[in-house]
Amino acid sequence: GAVVSQHPSRVICKSGTSVKIECRSLDFQATTMFWYRQFPKQSLMLMATSNEGSKATYEQGVEKDKFLINHASLTLSTLTVTSAHPEDSSFYICSAIKQRGGFGGYTFGSGTRLTVV
Amino acid sequence: GENVEQHPSTLSVQEGDSAVIKCTYSDSASNYFPWYKQELGKRPQLIIDIRSNVGEKKDQRIAVTLNKTAKHFSLHITETQPEDSAVYFCAASSSTGNQFYFGTGTSLTVIP
Repeated sequence: GAVVSQHPSRVICKSGTSVKIECRSLDFQATTMFWYRQFPKQSLMLMATSNEGSKATYEQGVEKDKFLINHASLTLSTLTVTSAHPEDSSFYICSAIKQRGGFGGYTFGSGTRLTVV
Repeated sequence: GENVEQHPSTLSVQEGDSAVIKCTYSDSASNYFPWYKQELGKRPQLIIDIRSNVGEKKDQRIAVTLNKTAKHFSLHITETQPEDSAVYFCAASSSTGNQFYFGTGTSLTVIP
């Protein structure tokens, strides 16, 4: 099967610091990964599309300088929340496609609960 | 971009009854429509999906219908059980972008 590992699962950081979240595809190569944000009792909002070896494509309204995405290899994408503030507290979740056009291989990571204090 | 709307936002049913959740989408290029079940604090899990060349798909107690002309699709759960209680999300995607755009979610409660 397609397994996506996301770390850390929970993180608490001080306001003004940066936090890095990792998303790894464990048993497949993911040319494309996606990053979502989910507020309590709300839907998953697509933040950006991460393509291996190229710049991420951000959705409208998402600050690319604040949410830095790096997809350095076919199995790893990272999201760095820079200069975090309490309003950045949220559930961040990544997903990856096992193969282009292979929708059945769209797999989610386990999510990261970020709390900024 | 794609806009996916989902109704209702909350739904309570008695155990054994059926539950129906409806979604509409705006982008006619969307051709893949998955449904996800998400339990509190966990990752979404795919429960069923449908492609635009099919009007209906069924998997045991779960079925999905698609009306491509009207741009809406629905999730049907029959003989509901307490373990069906969760938040359900619909999504739409096109083969060109691969991005998923999610509906706003439906919190389903099955009352024993």
